[in-house]
Amino acid sequence: AQSVTQLDSHVSVSEGTPVLLRCNYSSSYSPSLFWYVQHPNKGLQLLLKYTSAATLVKGINGFEAEFKKSETSFHLTKPSAHMSDAAEYFCVVSAGTGRRALTFGSGTRLQVQP
Amino acid sequence: NAGVTQTPKFQVLKTGQSMTLQCAQDMNHNSMYWYRQDPGMGLRLIYYSASEGTTDKGEVPNGYNVSRLNKREFSLRLESAAPSQTSVYFCASSESSRTGRTGELFFGEGSRLTVL
Repeated sequence: AQSVTQLDSHVSVSEGTPVLLRCNYSSSYSPSLFWYVQHPNKGLQLLLKYTSAATLVKGINGFEAEFKKSETSFHLTKPSAHMSDAAEYFCVVSAGTGRRALTFGSGTRLQVQP
Repeated sequence: NAGVTQTPKFQVLKTGQSMTLQCAQDMNHNSMYWYRQDPGMGLRLIYYSASEGTTDKGEVPNGYNVSRLNKREFSLRLESAAPSQTSVYFCASSESSRTGRTGELFFGEGSRLTVL
C-alpha cells in the first residue's frame, strides 16, 4: 500500500522569493517519486523524478527536490519564483506495478504575486 | 512529436447521452491510463491497460467502459452520461522499467466534459 500527502493545498509567494511545496509519502516498497506541473487548461508535465539514484534531483525550470527516506518526504523547491511558475503541482509515488502502481497527491496550487 | 492526443477537447452532453473519448499515443508505450480530475481531488484512475487487449478497473470505474483497440489507442466510453461525470478527463501512457516499475507518465491535454 502507498499514499501521498501534499501538506498545502495553496501556497502564495512573491516573485523572486523561494518556493517550497511539501510532499510526504508512505510506501511498502522502495518508491519512485515524481513531481508534475499543470498549467491552466493543460495536461500534466513531468518536472522531475527520483528513481533510487541521487537523492537530490534537479528538474526543469530551476526546480529541485530532495528524497529523504528517514522523513519520508520529497519536497519541491526553487530558489526564486517566477510569474510563469504559477500552476498546480502534483506529487506522485510509484511503488509497484500495474494499476495500483501510481498514487497522486491532491495537488498544491502555487500563486506568484508580482 | 505528438505524444498523447485526446479528442474531443470539449463536449457538452445531456443526461443519458453516450459518447466516446478517444486517445492515441505514438511513443510505443505498453501502458495506458484514463484519469478524471475534479477540484481538490487530484487525479483518480478510471481504467488502466497494461498492454493491447488487457484492461483493468481503477479507483472509479462505475459508469465507464474502455477499449484497448491496439497498442496506440485506448478509448473511454460513457454509455449513459450523468451529471456526476462532469469532469476533466486525461489519458496518459507510460513505459515500464526492466523491473516492471511504472515509469514517467505522459499526458494528453485533457477533455473537458459537461453533463447537463
